[in-house]
Amino acid sequence: GNSVTQMEGPVTLSEEAFLTINCTYTATGYPSLFWYVQYPGEGLQLLLKATKADDKGSNKGFEATYRKETTSFHLEKGSVQVSDSAVYFCALSDPNGNQFYFGTGTSLTVIP
Amino acid sequence: EPEVTQTPSHQVTQMGQEVILRCVPISNHLYFYWYRQILGQKVEFLVSFYNNEISEKSEIFDDQFSVERPDGSNFTLKIRSTKLEDSAMYFCASSELVPSTDTQYFGPGTRLTVL
Repeated sequence: GNSVTQMEGPVTLSEEAFLTINCTYTATGYPSLFWYVQYPGEGLQLLLKATKADDKGSNKGFEATYRKETTSFHLEKGSVQVSDSAVYFCALSDPNGNQFYFGTGTSLTVIP
Repeated sequence: EPEVTQTPSHQVTQMGQEVILRCVPISNHLYFYWYRQILGQKVEFLVSFYNNEISEKSEIFDDQFSVERPDGSNFTLKIRSTKLEDSAMYFCASSELVPSTDTQYFGPGTRLTVL
């Protein structure tokens, strides 16, 4: 079946630190992979996506590479800001259906 | 930028009551979804809807749940007789193209509290 396993939080970093949030997946077929971000009091916003192996999604300084060999889609950012404080969700799309499968979310707090 | 909207932002109801959660998907999108997130848990798929019918539903989406697109813009989720365990954040989403590859755009959510 399809599932997403995401690094447990919470994560607390100082401003300008390097961020990695690990995400691995299990899927039948070839899913698309996504990172969504949820700021306090808001809904899920698409951060970036990758639709096939070796694709790199990037947005707002965040990057993630679709690694089929390790079934991973780790989120990275070289220098985090206080405004990056949010909950980050890794997700995959069912290649044969309609639904998205989400990880449990990783809460990130960036302190000045 | 077009966005998915949801109303109300917070709904409080008594156990056993019916609730209707409303969503306005992005106007040119063809696929619509409901998800829920119980506090501290994963975002879980409930149902997808296309061409005026349910295309997929999860085990959570039992007879107490129904969805409807009553007009050209709204997409609703009805819970017929709410239970305490229905308390959660409910997210509506929509996508333009085939769900397996296209981005789903989420609304801000409705927090449902069942007392």
